[in-house]
Amino acid sequence: QVPLVQSGPEVKNPGASVRVSCKSSGYTYTDYYIHWVRQAPGQGLEWLGWIDPRSGDTHHSKNFLDSITMTMDTSIYTAYMELTRLTSGDTAIYYCTRNSVSILDAFDIWGEGTLIIVSS
Amino acid sequence: EIVLTQSPGTLSLSPGERATLSCKASESVTSNYLAWYRQRPGQPPTLLIYAVSARAAGIPDRFSAGGSRTDFTLTISRLEPEDFAVYFCQVYGYSPSFGQGTKVEIK
Repeated sequence: QVPLVQSGPEVKNPGASVRVSCKSSGYTYTDYYIHWVRQAPGQGLEWLGWIDPRSGDTHHSKNFLDSITMTMDTSIYTAYMELTRLTSGDTAIYYCTRNSVSILDAFDIWGEGTLIIVSS
Repeated sequence: EIVLTQSPGTLSLSPGERATLSCKASESVTSNYLAWYRQRPGQPPTLLIYAVSARAAGIPDRFSAGGSRTDFTLTISRLEPEDFAVYFCQVYGYSPSFGQGTKVEIK
C-alpha cells in the first residue's frame, strides 16, 4: 500500500489553474502534516507550503502569496494543492510529502510526483 | 527563511571512493532541524539523514553526517552504484527550505 498517491499529469494553458491531489493511506492521517514541494525540469526542490490535517490550517512560502491554495477532504484522506494564474515558470513536478505533527521531523515519505506542464 | 548553499555543485568520483558534501546555512539552524535527501533520476527524493546526524530507517551505515549551527556535512564512505545521484540538504520546521543540490557523478 503506497502511503501517498498523487493525481496524474496535466497540461494547462498560461493563465489557467490546476489542482493536484494527494491521497493518504496506511497511516493515521492526522498524525502528519502534508507538504507540497515542486521541482522544475533539471532544477532543485522548492517548498510551497503545508496543511495541518487536524485543523486545516495552512502556511505557504512567501513566493506563493496569492497563487496557492491548500485544502483537504478528511473524509477521503486527500489533500489538494491548487495553483492559479499559471505561467511557463510553473512547469514542474509537484510532490506531496509529509512530516510528523508531534516531533516536527523531516519528510519521510514522498508521493511519486505529478507533472504539470504549462504551455500554449 | 534560511538560505542553504551546497558545494560542490558536482562531484566526480569512482565507485568505492569516499564522498564529502557540504551544506552551509545563512543563519544558525535551530533545534538540529537539518536533513539530507538523495534523489535518483526520475524518482522522488529519499530521506537519508534527519536531525543533523540520525540515519533514517533502512539507510545503510556508509552514510554519515554531522555539523552544527551553519556548517553541515554528509559523507558517503564507499560509493555504491545507486549512490550516484543528486543530494539535497534541507532545513525543516515552520518554513522549510532546500539547498540547490550536489550531483555525485561517475568519474
